[in-house]
Amino acid sequence: ETGVTQTPRHLVMGMTNKKSLKCEQHLGHNAMYWYKQSAKKPLELMFVYNFKEQTENNSVPSRFSPECPNSSHLFLHLHTLQPEDSALYLCASSQERRGANVLTFGAGSRLTVL
Amino acid sequence: AQKVTQAQTEISVVEKEDVTLDCVYETRDTTYYLFWYKQPPSGELVFLIRRNSFDEQNEISGRYSWNFQKSTSSFNFTITASQVVDSAVYFCALSEARGETSGSRLTFGEGTQLTVNP
Repeated sequence: ETGVTQTPRHLVMGMTNKKSLKCEQHLGHNAMYWYKQSAKKPLELMFVYNFKEQTENNSVPSRFSPECPNSSHLFLHLHTLQPEDSALYLCASSQERRGANVLTFGAGSRLTVL
Repeated sequence: AQKVTQAQTEISVVEKEDVTLDCVYETRDTTYYLFWYKQPPSGELVFLIRRNSFDEQNEISGRYSWNFQKSTSSFNFTITASQVVDSAVYFCALSEARGETSGSRLTFGEGTQLTVNP
């Protein structure tokens, strides 16, 4: 596979469930990102990992828990979510270049919280 | 704080028309980068162009062209002779220059939904 792959593509969960989103990049990049895309709102940066170290947590509620075991994989663990967390969650990766980074995005995981 | 404004929420055109998508940005940085991404119905954002703040040359790539004007803080995108396949949401984004180990902080606009009708 090439590019950035996200699984599952669609997820429906109840407010008491625990689930995880997975992201894998095959580009040799060293930075990975989680973005949230809600209807009628700009993309919101949630987390940034650079060389497996978290370099940004953009005031994300603790019910979202990221994990980056290596530079190719990124997870977003979900628990006790709220209906307003329903959104498209996009993963991206990049090779660091002082802010000039071109992010390569996955197709997203569409999450619905009932 | 950085901000990107795409005032056009939705645009609808007929095939072969030219269309311009507006983008206005705010930043206090003197060095920054501007991007355009396309999001087709499949969901993934596709990179179209990156510009740094010191390069105001306009760029043309096939039917796509970009007009960067620092004086008006605008980075507009024009599609010439639009096609149905151009239908997508287009995002303008801004990134400040950072250290090499910090990761990018892209600030996105709200996007413009472009519909090209046959």
